[in-house]
Amino acid sequence: GNSVTQMEGPVTLSEEAFLTINCTYTATGYPSLFWYVQYPGEGLQLLLKATKADDKGSNKGFEATYRKETTSFHLEKGSVQVSDSAVYFCALCSEDDMRFGAGTRLTVKP
Amino acid sequence: DTGVSQNPRHKITKRGQNVTFRCDPISEHNRLYWYRQTLGQGPEFLTYFQNEAQLEKSRLLSDRFSAERPKGSFSTLEIQRTEQGDSAMYLCASSLWGRDIQYFGAGTRLSVL
Repeated sequence: GNSVTQMEGPVTLSEEAFLTINCTYTATGYPSLFWYVQYPGEGLQLLLKATKADDKGSNKGFEATYRKETTSFHLEKGSVQVSDSAVYFCALCSEDDMRFGAGTRLTVKP
Repeated sequence: DTGVSQNPRHKITKRGQNVTFRCDPISEHNRLYWYRQTLGQGPEFLTYFQNEAQLEKSRLLSDRFSAERPKGSFSTLEIQRTEQGDSAMYLCASSLWGRDIQYFGAGTRLSVL
């Protein structure tokens, strides 16, 4: 079956540090991959997506590349800001299934 | 585009009572999904609709859970004979088609006393 394994948190970084949150998946077929973000007190919102192998999703300085050979979709940002503090969820979506990772809480300190 | 709307935002009920939640998706979206999220976990997929057809039911947590989308627009999720373990955030999301971006509502937080 499909599954998503996400790096456990919490992660605490200083402002302007480099961020990596690891995400690996198992899937049958060719799912779309997503990163969703949940800011404090808000609902989930899409951060970025990739729909096929080697696609790179990017938004707000965040990037992730759909790697079929390593079944990974790691989230990266070169320089985090305090405003990036949130919970990040890696997700997989096929035609009839949706799986989320457990979430990684990021705290960025000034 | 008014986004996905869920009502109520909070529901407190006593064990054994039935509860019903409503979700209004983005109007042109064909797909509608229900999830449960417990503290410290990611959303857990429960069921989904393609228009009015419920295409996946096996992930509903027990036969006390049921969902409807009678006219392919809004949807309801009902939990019968609630138990304390049902306390969680229930999320609704909608999308244009499968494998597409899902837009989430703010959720309904259920507390079973």
